[in-house]
Order: sequence, then C-alpha cells, then structure tokens
Amino acid sequence: DAGVTQSPTHLIKTRGQQVTLRCSPKSGHDTVSWYQQALGQGPQFIFQYYEEEERQRGNFPDRFSGHQYPNYSSELNVNALLLGDSALYLCASSFGRESYGYTFGSGTRLTVV
Amino acid sequence: AQSVTQPDIHITVSEGASLELRCNYSYGATPYLFWYVQSPGQGLQLLLKYFSGDTLVQGIKGFEAEFKRSQSSFNLRKPSVHWSDAAEYFCAVGLNTDKLIFGTGTRLQVFP
Repeated sequence: DAGVTQSPTHLIKTRGQQVTLRCSPKSGHDTVSWYQQALGQGPQFIFQYYEEEERQRGNFPDRFSGHQYPNYSSELNVNALLLGDSALYLCASSFGRESYGYTFGSGTRLTVV
Repeated sequence: AQSVTQPDIHITVSEGASLELRCNYSYGATPYLFWYVQSPGQGLQLLLKYFSGDTLVQGIKGFEAEFKRSQSSFNLRKPSVHWSDAAEYFCAVGLNTDKLIFGTGTRLQVFP
C-alpha cells in the first residue's frame, strides 16, 4: 500500500521563477494538506484541499496556490520565488478533514538561489 | 494566538537512559495533541496522539506521553532510549481538525 508520494524530491530554482510541486495521497485518502518546513523550524500549515477546493489557508501570501484533481492528487504552486521560500515542502493526506488521520510524505526540498 | 512550545532545542542522552521531551501549548480549550518524529531528510511519522480520556497515551516504538491539563503540557517519555531514536521530535496541536500547529522541534542525539 503506497503512502504519500511527492515529486520531485529535490529542486533548485532561481529567484523570480515559478515552481510546481506534486503530491499523490495515500490510497483511500481524499484530503491533502501542504506544510512548509524551513530549516531548523517546525512545519507550518499552508493550505488544505478537500473536494477539489481550498478549505483552509495558513498565513501565506497569494504567491502560494494549489489545486486538487478529481483523483485527489494535488499540486502546490509558488510564483515569484524568494530566497526565503527555500524549505522542505511536506504533503499530508487524510480521509476527510481530520488532522489526526494524517500521513505525511517525505517532502520536496526546494532551494531558491 | 495558539502556540506550541518545545523549550529544549537539543537533548543528548546515553543509550539506555530514560528520556523526557517537553511540550507546552497555549490554547483556550483542550486541543488534539500529537508527537511526531522526523529522521533526516524524511517526512513526519506519528508517534502518538491524545484526543480525550486516559491522560497517559501509549505510542509506537515504546514511547508514551502524558497530558496534564493544569500545566498545558504533553511531555513525551521513553524509559530506555535506543541509538535508532536519534531524530527530530515535534509536538503538535490540532485545531478544528483542519490543521496542525507544530513546535520548533527537539533534536535528540544518542550516545553509545
């Protein structure tokens, strides 16, 4: 049973560019949440997608956007990259909107230069 | 605002010694409480969780945590640490079931 799959695992981008990160949820899960984990910090909630809609959003600018597809997979898009966007981006899936059912992926390490 | 505090940034213990990682939260009601572990370059693995009921919660890998309402604490314990327990540990609070608020983590180093 595959868990949460994130791609790519590592990514290097230049300031001002745009990036798309992808997440395939665990089988049977329909909700995807995204977290940003800066170096030496705990993960911070970006947003959550359920039924293809953004249900709740953390304190992140509009440069961060997302999408959820009918097969429950999700994308995180970041526009106009800043150096401060360098972080590990974690995807977590769950069934319904219950955080205690989270399964986390291994993350995408984004480096902005 | 809701917050989670892990006062110990780095803890070093000898293999076989006992362990306690501290976690305090700030929230108006009793939230859902979690402990996660993260190995280098990896995602987060749930160790245990507390929703209600018995305040002593058993988790995986021999870990347990105790919820103390009067102290707004949810400390993680293990009676005998193994070298494989070396990792980053995060305490988290679940609010309205929609998101988790994490502490800044405690890095555990285990000496043989």
